[in-house]
Amino acid sequence: GAVVSQHPSRVICKSGTSVKIECRSLDFQATTMFWYRQFPKQSLMLMATSNEGSKATYEQGVEKDKFLINHASLTLSTLTVTSAHPEDSSFYICSAVHSNKGTDTQYFGPGTRLTVL
Amino acid sequence: KQEVTQIPAALSVPEGENLVLNCSFTDSAIYNLQWFRQDPGKGLTSLLLIQSSQREQTSGRLNASLDKSSGRSTLYIAASQPGDSATYLCAPSTGNQFYFGTGTSLTVIP
Repeated sequence: GAVVSQHPSRVICKSGTSVKIECRSLDFQATTMFWYRQFPKQSLMLMATSNEGSKATYEQGVEKDKFLINHASLTLSTLTVTSAHPEDSSFYICSAVHSNKGTDTQYFGPGTRLTVL
Repeated sequence: KQEVTQIPAALSVPEGENLVLNCSFTDSAIYNLQWFRQDPGKGLTSLLLIQSSQREQTSGRLNASLDKSSGRSTLYIAASQPGDSATYLCAPSTGNQFYFGTGTSLTVIP
């Protein structure tokens, strides 16, 4: 149980286009989901906290107009990278907090590798 | 802001050795601390979770200790195996937010 999926696993896009990444909790409800990104040889960094039915909370330095997060249901959060540029190329990972288990238990998705040409 | 440092950055050991990974953090006001494993290109796998009131946690060959007041945690891996090769991340948490170090890249040589 407690499986989190991400789609797509890998995406290549042209500079200036928008890319949507989905994060789904497959067998549990997640009031809160987190979005992380990891640049090569750097640590995983929290981008934003996504709460179902409300606006996401972004970390300092993360542009909310560029990284649009929607958490429309208890099992789905989406991250849209708008007008992507090569510097946005990164590994994006989401995690979902099991609603019945509190913030201690985060389940991570397998990640999405974004390459912007 | 919480800063997390992990030492060593990389480690290569022969199979069967016991090893220790170190983690230090600057803000001791944490809620808990987790150790994660990351395989290349994969999401994180949580290995051990230590509550701020606890001193250590054990799971199989893994043992993690926490000295909250001094801002230190160690991950002890006993009898290392090639399958343990991965990057290990330490992440103290305020309850809702994790702060990650850059990790220790471990290679266990058969």
